[in-house]
Amino acid sequence: AQSVSQHNHHVILSEAASLELGCNYSYGGTVNLFWYVQYPGQHLQLLLKYFSGDPLVKGIKGFEAEFIKSKFSFNLRKPSVQWSDTAEYFCAVVNTGTASKLTFGTGTRLQVTL
Amino acid sequence: GAGVSQSPRYKVAKRGQDVALRCDPISGHVSLFWYQQALGQGPEFLTYFQNEAQLDKSGLPSDRFFAERPEGSVSTLKIQRTQQEDSAVYLCASSAPGSSYNSPLHFGNGTRLTVT
Repeated sequence: AQSVSQHNHHVILSEAASLELGCNYSYGGTVNLFWYVQYPGQHLQLLLKYFSGDPLVKGIKGFEAEFIKSKFSFNLRKPSVQWSDTAEYFCAVVNTGTASKLTFGTGTRLQVTL
Repeated sequence: GAGVSQSPRYKVAKRGQDVALRCDPISGHVSLFWYQQALGQGPEFLTYFQNEAQLDKSGLPSDRFFAERPEGSVSTLKIQRTQQEDSAVYLCASSAPGSSYNSPLHFGNGTRLTVT
């Protein structure tokens, strides 16, 4: 069964600091990868996705993620965080053979201080 | 709005009671998913519908959990004889027509169930 590991459970950064959140998955087959974000009091929403092609994908609000197949990783990055980026971030993977189950990591709570 | 709507937002049930949670997906979305999110955890897959057909229910934790989508739109997740370990946020998500694994999920705000 596939699994997703997010190593950082709680990250605190000052505004303008750079961000990198780790995500590793266990499945060796073909996968699609996602980062979802949940702002306080809001629903989960898609930040970015990787299906194929360029392993560096850009999402909304200046976020990007790099798919490194050899490392089974899909780390999320942002060069300069803002206070409004305070949220919980979830990495998720779907095995393209299952066509149904999106498997989430446990999430990383990001707190950006002024 | 045009998003996924879930009701109720909060539900408190005494242990042993039955509960029903409702999900109204985005109009035209073929695929519908239910997830369970325990405190401090990521969402965990429960079940998946394509139109009215329940194609995958492997994530339902016990036979006390039952989901339906009789007309291919609104879905109900029912939990019978609730237990304290059922306390969680129950998320519903829908996705546009097409291959489910290529279509990003649109989530509702969830129903927070507390079993006392």
